[in-house]
Amino acid sequence: GQQLNQSPQSMFIQEGEDVSMNCTSSSIFNTWLWYKQDPGEGPVLLIALYKAGELTSNGRLTAQFGITRKDSFLNISASIPSDVGIYFCAGSTTTSGTYKYIFGTGTRLKVLA
Amino acid sequence: NAGVTQTPKFRILKIGQSMTLQCTQDMNHNYMYWYRQDPGMGLKLIYYSVGAGITDKGEVPNGYNVSRSTTEDFPLRLELAAPSQTSVYFCASRRLSEIQYFGPGTRLLVL
Repeated sequence: GQQLNQSPQSMFIQEGEDVSMNCTSSSIFNTWLWYKQDPGEGPVLLIALYKAGELTSNGRLTAQFGITRKDSFLNISASIPSDVGIYFCAGSTTTSGTYKYIFGTGTRLKVLA
Repeated sequence: NAGVTQTPKFRILKIGQSMTLQCTQDMNHNYMYWYRQDPGMGLKLIYYSVGAGITDKGEVPNGYNVSRSTTEDFPLRLELAAPSQTSVYFCASRRLSEIQYFGPGTRLLVL
């Protein structure tokens, strides 16, 4: 089946640093989504990307939909302690009018104050 | 609105037991999903529904069953629990947009 490779798997950074993570696939997706999951909670949507090449920001977060439609990246600027969590990418495909989502394995972010 | 609610929050089952994980949403969403998340992994789709009375299999449906008799509820049934079903289960829903709203999860341990 389709798989999303997400990297890095985990990272420790100092507070105030910028963070970059990416997601690649062997398949084309119609939409890329980035979620954050806090411990003991369900994922929460951060950014949704709908067009190849699209660059979208949400506060300190910026994400881009790759031109080939097979990759996406997420940047976090000036990280703060509450950025700690697991970040998931997800790709969406449409089959017979029904959306299906494939999730990456996550990037675990730890911010050192 | 409460959003997506899931019960129970945590459950321990013995091998061979059965249980139903409940999921309810009050946002009048047509689409509902069940995922499982194994330790250190992403989410795998178990089953999904595009509306009341319509369900379909996802990536990992074996060992599970679902029903969708109302728009609000999408229960997930485990008939014969196995240790391989130890996981965290998330329910999600969405309307026409692609934004899925997730519940808080049910942590299941099968011993």
